Amino acid sequence: GDSVTQMEGPVTLSEEAFLTINCTYTATGYPSLFWYVQYPGEGLQLLLKATKADDKGSNKGFEATYRKETTSFHLEKGSVQVSDSAVYFCALRFQGGSEKLVFGKGTKLTVNP
Amino acid sequence: NAGVTQTPKFQVLKTGQSMTLQCAQDMNHNSMYWYRQDPGMGLRLIYYSASEGTTDKGEVPNGYNVSRLNKREFSLRLESAAPSQTSVYFCASRETRSYNEQFFGPGTRLTVL
Repeated sequence: GDSVTQMEGPVTLSEEAFLTINCTYTATGYPSLFWYVQYPGEGLQLLLKATKADDKGSNKGFEATYRKETTSFHLEKGSVQVSDSAVYFCALRFQGGSEKLVFGKGTKLTVNP
Repeated sequence: NAGVTQTPKFQVLKTGQSMTLQCAQDMNHNSMYWYRQDPGMGLRLIYYSASEGTTDKGEVPNGYNVSRLNKREFSLRLESAAPSQTSVYFCASRETRSYNEQFFGPGTRLTVL
């Protein structure tokens, strides 16, 4: 079945460090891909998305590129801040078919000053 | 706009008790969803409703029932709570056109003793 695999956490970085959170997927067809972020005590918020191969989603300094050849959608940020501390979820959804999102298990990021 | 609201925020139940989690959205969205979030498991879909009057099972529907009362409201009922249902429950909604995102509520933290 369809699935999303994220790198295991937790991830701890110092402020201004470079961030990569790996995400790969298994799916038939061509899903849309998403990164959601969950700040402590809150619900999930969409961070960025990409709907077709080679699309790059970006928001708040975060970027991810939809790579069909490697079935990946890695999240990157060049210089993290303490305020980026949160749990990040990779997810996929099929276009025109099921409305369901399939989530990865989440990666907890802690950024220290 | 309040977005997606959930009540209650916290609840403690004893095994065998019943309760209903309430969810409402004011964005005029057609689709609504219930997820549960468990440590190391990501979010798993319990039930969803593509439109008023329709509901469908997700990945983990056992032990739950849902009601799409109207376009705004989508409730989740536990008829006989079990400790395995201790979790954080999130409601989400989405406008079912194009590549629109899901908007999440703040969650309900449920403990079953």
